[in-house]
Amino acid sequence: GAGVSQTPSNKVTEKGKYVELRCDPISGHTALYWYRQSLGQGPEFLIYFQGTGAADDSGLPNDRFFAVRPEGSVSTLKIQRTERGDSAVYLCASSIRGRENTEAFFGQGTRLTVV
Amino acid sequence: RKEVEQDPGPFNVPEGATVAFNCTYSNSASQSFFWYRQDCRKEPKLLMSVYSSGNEDGRFTAQLNRASQYISLLIRDSKLSDSATYLCVVKGRGSTLGRLYFGRGTQLTVWP
Repeated sequence: GAGVSQTPSNKVTEKGKYVELRCDPISGHTALYWYRQSLGQGPEFLIYFQGTGAADDSGLPNDRFFAVRPEGSVSTLKIQRTERGDSAVYLCASSIRGRENTEAFFGQGTRLTVV
Repeated sequence: RKEVEQDPGPFNVPEGATVAFNCTYSNSASQSFFWYRQDCRKEPKLLMSVYSSGNEDGRFTAQLNRASQYISLLIRDSKLSDSATYLCVVKGRGSTLGRLYFGRGTQLTVWP
């Protein structure tokens, strides 16, 4: 069956540019999460959506990062004025519900490189 | 202090060996614990949940020690296909209920 889909799989951008990363969760999953993983580290929480609303966005590192999920399905993570330190793998995950002990399924990630 | 601390390894073991990974967590109120597996350049996948009484899934055994805030994973009879990074994960509570806190992962290589 279809899992979590993320596009693009790789993105190379110049410092200062704007990028959008897309996540298509598993159909019927109301909870959606964005994580960032740097080399040699575990994934680090960015933001969590329950339906259309951001239930917890306290992991976003600064105001250059923003995410939306307007119809409660597909989500877009937006990064303005990219910096070299933003280079990482951005992982999206979804689960049936966020507030119970349910498994989160991850997409394969978008590898962002800022040059 | 990080929410989840894990020895990054690497662990290099021969096929058939028994290997154990450990991690500690900082929030004594945490209730939900997991081990995830991540293959090179792939996404993390749930290996198993960790229950208070300890639990086993084939060659894999997970243990939880709440008093010491310590979680372990034991792999018996290691296979080549077990080579991966193993991530210790604790779920948030209260205002952070939607989060998973990951350790940095322990890298395992099983050699023939």
